[in-house]
Amino acid sequence: AQSVTQLGSHVSVSEGALVLLRCNYSSSVPPYLFWYVQYPNQGLQLLLKYTSAATLVKGINGFEAEFKKSETSFHLTKPSAHMSDAAEYFCAAGDYGGSQGNLIFGKGTKLSVKP
Amino acid sequence: ETGVTQSPTHLIKTRGQQVTLRCSSQSGHNTVSWYQQALGQGPQFIFQYYREEENGRGNFPPRFSGLQFPNYSSELNVNALELDDSALYLCASSLPASEYTDTQYFGPGTRLTVL
Repeated sequence: AQSVTQLGSHVSVSEGALVLLRCNYSSSVPPYLFWYVQYPNQGLQLLLKYTSAATLVKGINGFEAEFKKSETSFHLTKPSAHMSDAAEYFCAAGDYGGSQGNLIFGKGTKLSVKP
Repeated sequence: ETGVTQSPTHLIKTRGQQVTLRCSSQSGHNTVSWYQQALGQGPQFIFQYYREEENGRGNFPPRFSGLQFPNYSSELNVNALELDDSALYLCASSLPASEYTDTQYFGPGTRLTVL
């Protein structure tokens, strides 16, 4: 069974600093991988997704993630944090494009951005 | 915005009662998934509906049931509410699974509080 682990429930960075949110998945077959962002009292917004076309995936708002099969990782990065990036971020894994139900989510990482 | 809407936004019920949550899918999407997000946790898959039939279910008891209508709107029904059912309930719509399928698009959620 797939599982998704997000290292660090809370990450704090200064405005302008690098953002690195870690995600590892557990699967014998590389799944489809997603990063979602959730602002307070809102639903989930897709940041980016990996579907085997390219290992480096670019998303919205300047975020990108790199799929590393050897490390079973899909870490999310952004070169320069902005105050508006403060939110909770969820890594998720799914089968067959992610719309076959059953996205497996990590527990989330709350990102704080200090001025 | 994703075009997925949910109602109501907030709901308070007492233990033992029944509740119905509603979701309107994004135009053209005939697949809907429901997730439960407890406080401080990632979303957990409840079930998925495709063409009005249940098409996959997570580890939730039968008192969680659903309906999907011909216009692709859907309902989540929970009977005999328990305190642990307090959570944010998210629905997500998508196209049916295929090699080129797209992503699940989430609504803003319904916050259910069980007293």
